[in-house]
Amino acid sequence: EIVMTQTPLSLSVTPGQPASISCKSSQSLLHSDGKTYLYWYLQKPGQSPQLLIYEVSNRFSGVPDRFSGSGSGTDFTLKISRVEAEDVGVYYCMQSRQFPKTFGQGTKVEI
Amino acid sequence: QVQLQESGPGLVKPSETLSLTCTVSGASIESNSFAWIRQPPGKGLEWIGTLYHSGSTNYNPSLKSRVTISLDTSKDRISLELNSVTAADSAVYYCARDVLPFDFWGQGLLVTVSS
Repeated sequence: EIVMTQTPLSLSVTPGQPASISCKSSQSLLHSDGKTYLYWYLQKPGQSPQLLIYEVSNRFSGVPDRFSGSGSGTDFTLKISRVEAEDVGVYYCMQSRQFPKTFGQGTKVEI
Repeated sequence: QVQLQESGPGLVKPSETLSLTCTVSGASIESNSFAWIRQPPGKGLEWIGTLYHSGSTNYNPSLKSRVTISLDTSKDRISLELNSVTAADSAVYYCARDVLPFDFWGQGLLVTVSS
């Protein structure tokens, strides 16, 4: 199975400042169809996870443009250009390139 | 807006079968794929399996021998059955639409395995 490794596991941020989370996969997430199957989710305190980014860099409907995703192959990054108080929670990367679908351990973001 | 709601018992005895349902609204249950995902208390997310609109399924190998996901079209529900449960199966169980994937989630249901 593909192992997803996130760093850091926790992050203390200042409102208005940028933040960045890294996600590395044990195998390439690039499919022969040309798509890269890497996703980012945010689980706010006491809530279900919510999709932020799909296929590396596409923001899901309603996701603010301060969130951006980048990367290729096995190395990916989620960036928040200016952190807001509502961005606190645990961020997960996830791959669906190969079964089983697997998540990273999560990165806890605090203000 | 797609909405999902998990339901079922919050307490299951060891060695018994965990049975949950997910009621879907705002999306055709027959033309979408749906997944179950779980999260042990204080831990990360684990994909359990997906039921595709074709009717086929795909399960996590770590659970494959014990899990069944099925469709109840008459009631717009997706079912999860996990048999021979142990304390390690205690978790919040989520259903989610598996299109992007996991673009819409239910609120989750805490299931505790204990005698």
